[in-house]
Amino acid sequence: DGGITQSPKYLFRKEGQNVTLSCEQNLNHDAMYWYRQDPGQGLRLIYYSQIVNDFQKGDIAEGYSVSREKKESFPLTVTSAQKNPTAFYLCASSAGTGTWNTEAFFGQGTRLTVV
Amino acid sequence: ELKVEQNPLFLSMQEGKNYTIYCNYSTTSDRLYWYRQDPGKSLESLFVLLSNGAVKQEGRLMASLDTKARLSTLHITAAVHDLSATYFCAVGQETSGSRLTFGEGTQLTVNP
Repeated sequence: DGGITQSPKYLFRKEGQNVTLSCEQNLNHDAMYWYRQDPGQGLRLIYYSQIVNDFQKGDIAEGYSVSREKKESFPLTVTSAQKNPTAFYLCASSAGTGTWNTEAFFGQGTRLTVV
Repeated sequence: ELKVEQNPLFLSMQEGKNYTIYCNYSTTSDRLYWYRQDPGKSLESLFVLLSNGAVKQEGRLMASLDTKARLSTLHITAAVHDLSATYFCAVGQETSGSRLTFGEGTQLTVNP
């Protein structure tokens, strides 16, 4: 089945630790995205990538880093510089700028908690 | 900068009633998407609207797009409890490439 897989589903981070959230897609999509969602809030864009080996900062990139070495994969690292990382993280992908329909498809999310 | 505003943000309605959620956006766009999110879950795609006047229907939900007014509506007919969820609209803009801008979401509760 084609889709987007995020792992882990739940993640606990100690103060001062870096953690990496995985996102893999087999939809052959060019574009991939990371969003953060806080309780009762909407989605805020952290980083996005429209093509392999290229990515751009979104609205709240500070304290996060990404890489896009393969088309299928877009891991997000939450660094110790992110002071309030507890949130629900959603990865998405879309066909990209070469198509008019840029509908985004979402993974199941990773819930990160600082302990 | 593209801004997307939904209203209402919170909606409590009785089963069997009709209601409309509105999504306004600030700059020209011909691509609008509606998503549903259940508590603690991810986003599920509901509708894709890609042209002025587009209307899509699925069950008790109907979405429409008026690009001249920069407005999309999500109409709920004869609501049932299973429709309780948060609904997001998202707008695409050619100058932003494939990036979507999301509204704040409308939290819908349907009461028996």
